[in-house]
Amino acid sequence: SQTIHQWPATLVQPVGSPLSLECTVEGTSNPNLYWYRQAAGRGPQLLFYSVGIGQISSEVPQNLSASRPQDRQFILSSKKLLLSDSGFYLCAWNAGQRNTEAFFGQGTRLTVV
Amino acid sequence: GENVGLHLPTLSVQEGDNSIINCAYSNSASDYFIWYKQESGKGPQFIIDIRSNMDKRQGQRVTVLLNKTVKHLSLQIAATQPGDSAVYFCAENRSQAGTALIFGKGTTLSVSS
Repeated sequence: SQTIHQWPATLVQPVGSPLSLECTVEGTSNPNLYWYRQAAGRGPQLLFYSVGIGQISSEVPQNLSASRPQDRQFILSSKKLLLSDSGFYLCAWNAGQRNTEAFFGQGTRLTVV
Repeated sequence: GENVGLHLPTLSVQEGDNSIINCAYSNSASDYFIWYKQESGKGPQFIIDIRSNMDKRQGQRVTVLLNKTVKHLSLQIAATQPGDSAVYFCAENRSQAGTALIFGKGTTLSVSS
């Protein structure tokens, strides 16, 4: 069966520090991968998605970047965190076809102080 | 902005009652819809989905209804249980967003015993 791993679960980082969040998927090949950010009381907002290794699409302008160095690995990064980067970050995957459900990781709670 | 929204931010019901959670969408090009359940501090979990060529789909204790004429989606939960307490989101797959899901704001369901 397929599983998705996302870590760390919580993270407290100072303003101006770098960020690296990692997500890996097991049990499937060529997944579409997604990074979402969720503000308190809101639905997840799509940040990035990837349809293959090295292929990244950004949905909103921001202080973050994403990379996909391997088929089942998706990384969210920042060179210098801002206070406004605080939030709940979710990684997700689906089978790469339209009209299929996405499966989410357990999320990372990032607090920038 | 988010064009997939829910009519009510909160819904409180008694255990054993039926719950109805509503969602309105504005993009007529959307052809796939999903309901997710999210418990505090966790990633969203898939509940049920429906394609635009259907108007009703049933699962275990849940039913999703789709009214394309008025762009309205609802989730019905039968015999609501305390374990159903969570935030519920509808999400859509828009043709211009590839395979990515776009989320609405969410409804918090509280079930009292």
